[in-house]
Amino acid sequence: GQQLNQSPQSMFIQEGEDVSMNCTSSSIFNTWLWYKQEPGEGPVLLIALYKAGELTSNGRLTAQFGITRKDSFLNISASIPSDVGIYFCAGRGSSNTGKLIFGQGTTLQVKP
Amino acid sequence: NAGVTQTPKFQVLKTGQSMTLQCAQDMNHEYMSWYRQDPGMGLRLIHYSVGAGITDQGEVPNGYNVSRSTTEDFPLRLLSAAPSQTSVYFCASSSGAGVSYEQYFGPGTRLTVT
Repeated sequence: GQQLNQSPQSMFIQEGEDVSMNCTSSSIFNTWLWYKQEPGEGPVLLIALYKAGELTSNGRLTAQFGITRKDSFLNISASIPSDVGIYFCAGRGSSNTGKLIFGQGTTLQVKP
Repeated sequence: NAGVTQTPKFQVLKTGQSMTLQCAQDMNHEYMSWYRQDPGMGLRLIHYSVGAGITDQGEVPNGYNVSRSTTEDFPLRLLSAAPSQTSVYFCASSSGAGVSYEQYFGPGTRLTVT
């Protein structure tokens, strides 16, 4: 079945630093989504990508749909303490059912 | 617009007990799904539904039942709880068609089985 590898597993950075994380797949995806989960809450959608090569920003967050359709990247610029949380990528393959595959998550900690 | 709601927020069960986790959405979404989240394992799909009357198994369906009698509701039933089902359970919904496969999550139910 389709699988997603998300890296890194965790990051501990200083406030103000930029952050990069990525997801890769062994098969092609038609949609990439990036979510953030804060402690005790459900995941919240940050960015949705629908076309290969697409680059989309949401404030300090920028995500890209890889040109091969097998990867996606999320960058956070000038991190702040409230960026703390778990970031998940999710991909949709050829299925039209809406079914998503999730990465294992990247845990981000920001030191003030 | 409440979005996706889940009840209860916390639950403790004894091994062998059964219970139903409730999920409702008011966005008229066709697609609904249940995930469990365990440390270091991300979100794993239990069951999903592409519309009222239609359900299918996900990655980890054993020990769980679902039904979808209305568009709004998608309850998850634990038939005979086991300690391995201790987890955080999330319900999600999306329009599931066209350009929007974006799933919206509820706040979760934290279940402990002793």
